[in-house]
Amino acid sequence: VTLLEQNPRWRLVPRGQAVNLRCILKNSQYPWMSWYQQDLQKQLQWLFTLRSPGDKEVKSLPGADYLATRVTDTELRLQVANMSQGRTLYCTCSAAGQGDERLFFGHGTKLSVL
Amino acid sequence: QQKVQQSPESLIVPEGAMTSLNCTFSDSASQYFAWYRQHSGKAPKALMSIFSNGEKEEGRFTIHLNKASLHFSLHIRDSQPSDSALYLCAVSISAGNKLTFGIGTRVLVRP
Repeated sequence: VTLLEQNPRWRLVPRGQAVNLRCILKNSQYPWMSWYQQDLQKQLQWLFTLRSPGDKEVKSLPGADYLATRVTDTELRLQVANMSQGRTLYCTCSAAGQGDERLFFGHGTKLSVL
Repeated sequence: QQKVQQSPESLIVPEGAMTSLNCTFSDSASQYFAWYRQHSGKAPKALMSIFSNGEKEEGRFTIHLNKASLHFSLHIRDSQPSDSALYLCAVSISAGNKLTFGIGTRVLVRP
């Protein structure tokens, strides 16, 4: 059973351009939605956790700038800008604190820099 | 800031043998400890987790936690070729969110 629908699966991003990612939650029992990035060396790093519709956060990390938005109870978005190195972005969900502590991952969006 | 380190970096194990993976963390306030497995080209998937000191077994997998030593481990009994993957340990101050991951141990189980 797929808990998260994440798209696109892959995107080639011209240097200097931004890209928008979207994640849809399929099971409301896991409402805590987050974004993680995995770099080319496979280091997985937490970016954001957004619980409520309207929540927004920005973050600048080596190699990319991020803007995350919880649009609705079921939709999470991420804008990636100024990316200098490829990476994979994963949307995750969890029940956190309701007896099931697992983090569930979407398929991931692999971003490559053109 | 939490630091999570894994050892070894990689491991080759004969089919049927025991695989043992280690993880150390730096923040003694950590409450949640987990192992994730990532097959090549796929997303990470939760294997098992533990909250309190001691041992927990699920099938062929056993997790040990020693908070005083800032260390936990994963042991895979009767390793299978399908266990070949990148194993990621993860630690959190509170359960579920904002996990800090190690860089991973790459395991190859040879038939």
